[in-house]
Amino acid sequence: DAKTTQPPSMDCAEGRAANLPCNHSTISGNEYVYWYRQIHSQGPQYIIHGLKNNETNEMASLIITEDRKSSTLILPHATLRDTAVYYCIVRVLNTGNQFYFGTGTSLTVIP
Amino acid sequence: GAVVSQHPSRVICKSGTSVKIECRSLDFQATTMFWYRQFPKQSLMLMATSNEGSKATYEQGVEKDKFLINHASLTLSTLTVTSAHPEDSSFYICSAMRAASDYGYTFGSGTRLTVV
Repeated sequence: DAKTTQPPSMDCAEGRAANLPCNHSTISGNEYVYWYRQIHSQGPQYIIHGLKNNETNEMASLIITEDRKSSTLILPHATLRDTAVYYCIVRVLNTGNQFYFGTGTSLTVIP
Repeated sequence: GAVVSQHPSRVICKSGTSVKIECRSLDFQATTMFWYRQFPKQSLMLMATSNEGSKATYEQGVEKDKFLINHASLTLSTLTVTSAHPEDSSFYICSAMRAASDYGYTFGSGTRLTVV
């Protein structure tokens, strides 16, 4: 069962920051927030994950609210290649638990 | 590291025949792999959990006799769609987790199945 809520679609101008929100109001204390993206007709690609602190890597930043009920994925300088469906998933780290995908956000980067 | 290879990437088969899809973890061992199905413009739907050396666990509503899963080694899981029909046409994706990995699951590139 998907435990996250995301807007179905968003647009972003090329070169600008893309901010993708995710609500996970029922998240448990030991559940991490993961973000994946899926470019058309490919398998999902890992982007970033976090527990409660903000995280940054070479692809994106993850901002998690203090109450952990929501988070935002930030692509600092969106390019056309970032056009994809972005999925926010919550699960316990390092277990054999399944990933259940919600509906995701379809991000379109506009030239 | 943590590469998952899926083969074939595309397959067309006749109605009534069976098709096998392979999922391999190339640089790590995976005791657990997962199989998803994705219809056009929809999200990924988990079909089953594949456990090395034991029977797969199927999600509710997934026919275990139609979608046969075999996980005979720590690096290979196969999904066989038996007696395929046009409604089985879909994008099938596998995933695997590297033990003690922080990065969740690595996904294969998917298999586009078309049943004619």
